[in-house]
Amino acid sequence: NAGVTQTPKFRVLKTGQSMTLLCAQDMNHEYMYWYRQDPGMGLRLIHYSVGEGTTAKGEVPDGYNVSRLKKQNFLLGLESAAPSQTSVYFCASTGPRSSYNSPLHFGNGTRLTVT
Amino acid sequence: GENVEQHPSTLSVQEGDSAVIKCTYSDSASNYFPWYKQELGKRPQLIIDIRSNVGEKKDQRIAVTLNKTAKHFSLHITETQPEDSAVYFCAASPYNYGQNFVFGPGTRLSVLP
Repeated sequence: NAGVTQTPKFRVLKTGQSMTLLCAQDMNHEYMYWYRQDPGMGLRLIHYSVGEGTTAKGEVPDGYNVSRLKKQNFLLGLESAAPSQTSVYFCASTGPRSSYNSPLHFGNGTRLTVT
Repeated sequence: GENVEQHPSTLSVQEGDSAVIKCTYSDSASNYFPWYKQELGKRPQLIIDIRSNVGEKKDQRIAVTLNKTAKHFSLHITETQPEDSAVYFCAASPYNYGQNFVFGPGTRLSVLP
């Protein structure tokens, strides 16, 4: 049981390049999330998904797109990277939907630098 | 939407002393309050959580208290040890479709030997 797995662990992009971050979970969780973490600002929600085929915007969605074609995978895309997107990105999941509140399980993070 | 404030932003204590971190939330619909510990370069990990139908919960040296009327909850660590040094995040979440979590900005705890 690997939990939540993120790839890649590190990436350096030039301004304007695109990339996709992959998140996979093997806990059969319904909900999946992408957060970014910047110094002194905690964890801010980018996008989230409440189930396969559904996505929604979080607090800071601009410049990012997501897809959840399979229940176990949640992809985060940057179409045209900007230096302001330099951050550590965490994927998280929780569920099942029928449970009364369950905690988030986080991946190990992706450190992205945009030059 | 929900807003979570957390204080203090940094906290230094002597080994063996107690540490208290406080959070306030704004949305009365929030009913689940987890606390996460994040060591340097690692992912956040759940250390304790509390639901709105409970006023206090304890797990060994860690306890959390919740005051729904005042909309604040606190993390208490007793007999602190150097391995408690980390950044601690509180969060608030309503039980609804989406179960979003809003995090506080974090508290950097340093336990001095």
